[in-house]
Amino acid sequence: AQSVTQPDIHITVSEGASLELRCNYSYGATPYLFWYVQSPGQGLQLLLKYFSGDTLVQGIKGFEAEFKRSQSSFNLRKPSVHWSDAAEYFCAVGRNSGNTPLVFGKGTRLSVIA
Amino acid sequence: GAVVSQHPSWVICKSGTSVKIECRSLDFQATTMFWYRQFPKQSLMLMATSNEGSKATYEQGVEKDKFLINHASLTLSTLTVTSAHPEDSSFYICSASSGGQGYGYTFGSGTRLTVV
Repeated sequence: AQSVTQPDIHITVSEGASLELRCNYSYGATPYLFWYVQSPGQGLQLLLKYFSGDTLVQGIKGFEAEFKRSQSSFNLRKPSVHWSDAAEYFCAVGRNSGNTPLVFGKGTRLSVIA
Repeated sequence: GAVVSQHPSWVICKSGTSVKIECRSLDFQATTMFWYRQFPKQSLMLMATSNEGSKATYEQGVEKDKFLINHASLTLSTLTVTSAHPEDSSFYICSASSGGQGYGYTFGSGTRLTVV
């Protein structure tokens, strides 16, 4: 069965500190991986996605993620967190076509302190 | 980039009435639309998948007669909550995909439904 695990429900980091959000997936085929961010009361914004090729993916807002097939992981990183990064982050996995729904993790809430 | 417009952003309705939520893909053809429901501080729960011109496929436990989904064109999908009750109060989000290699899923901004 397809599944996505985000082990950390809530993470608090200081502004300017580095960030890593963990994501592990279980998928029977070649995974297509996504990270989304959601601010309160808003929809989801795509941060980055991995389909193939270079396993280190650059996204918007200074985020990057690394696909590690051997570990079934797709962790999201940012070298220096800004207060505006406080939000909910969702990892998702899908198939190689757009007509099947994404499978989402439960999300990680990021709090940023001064 | 791809944009999905979802309206209304929020709606309050009386118990027993129906509410329609619209999702429009503004600059691409959405061959597939997905409708999600999200409870506070939880992840997205898939309600149904719809392909243009076809009947929607509902997830187990989702009442198809209560949550009517129409995807009559490649740019518009609607979700109608019929005979709404307070337990239908939630945040509803649509997602559109144009399909094919290099596809992406674009999400609407969501609709906060409150049934009183």
